[in-house]
Amino acid sequence: DQQVKQNSPSLSVQEGRISILNCDYTNSMFDYFLWYKKYPAEGPTFLISISSIKDKNEDGRFTVFLNKSAKHLSLHIVPSQPGDSAVYFCAASPRGRAGGTSYGKLTFGQGTILTVHP
Amino acid sequence: EAGVTQFPSHSVIEKGQTVTLRCDPISGHDNLYWYRRVMGKEIKFLLHFVKESKQDESGMPNNRFLAERTGGTYSTLKVQPAELEDSGVYFCASNRGYSYEQYFGPGTRLTVT
Repeated sequence: DQQVKQNSPSLSVQEGRISILNCDYTNSMFDYFLWYKKYPAEGPTFLISISSIKDKNEDGRFTVFLNKSAKHLSLHIVPSQPGDSAVYFCAASPRGRAGGTSYGKLTFGQGTILTVHP
Repeated sequence: EAGVTQFPSHSVIEKGQTVTLRCDPISGHDNLYWYRRVMGKEIKFLLHFVKESKQDESGMPNNRFLAERTGGTYSTLKVQPAELEDSGVYFCASNRGYSYEQYFGPGTRLTVT
């Protein structure tokens, strides 16, 4: 039962253009969403996140959009650069427990391989 | 600040053997997580420690996997006996309480032949 899905295994974009990576989820208990970037032979690196109370979060060239009613989020990279070529993972976290204890496990999508051509 | 470190980076063992993976989280991080990625698929949660206690071990595949975090610092994940389907990349991550973002180590690539 895949609760977080990235339906595009790969995406190829020209340098300078926009990259749009998509992610869908099924579990209504997810409250916080994150994007991670992964280079070969390295661990995932946190990129940007968004809380379920927001619909947009921007950080430099990276913007994440959340559509709660559609259970869909997307990551926009503008402008795309060759150094952005990596695997991008969408991840979701449930709401933290009352009393402020830890937020627990992340549920990941399968990843999308982004290739940005010079 | 040093990041999450994992040892070894790569391990090749035969089916039936035992392997122990180690993770050193970022200093001061009470939460420690183990994840696994098999054959280019999604990264799957295995378990979560808060200090030395297992908070959630719902992702552990079976009783051949044993995780420990003595003293609430580093953690080990032992696979005994290893099976072919245990091959994959094992990631460790850590963070402080109240934080959603987790910081990942470089992973240990386990190959069972």
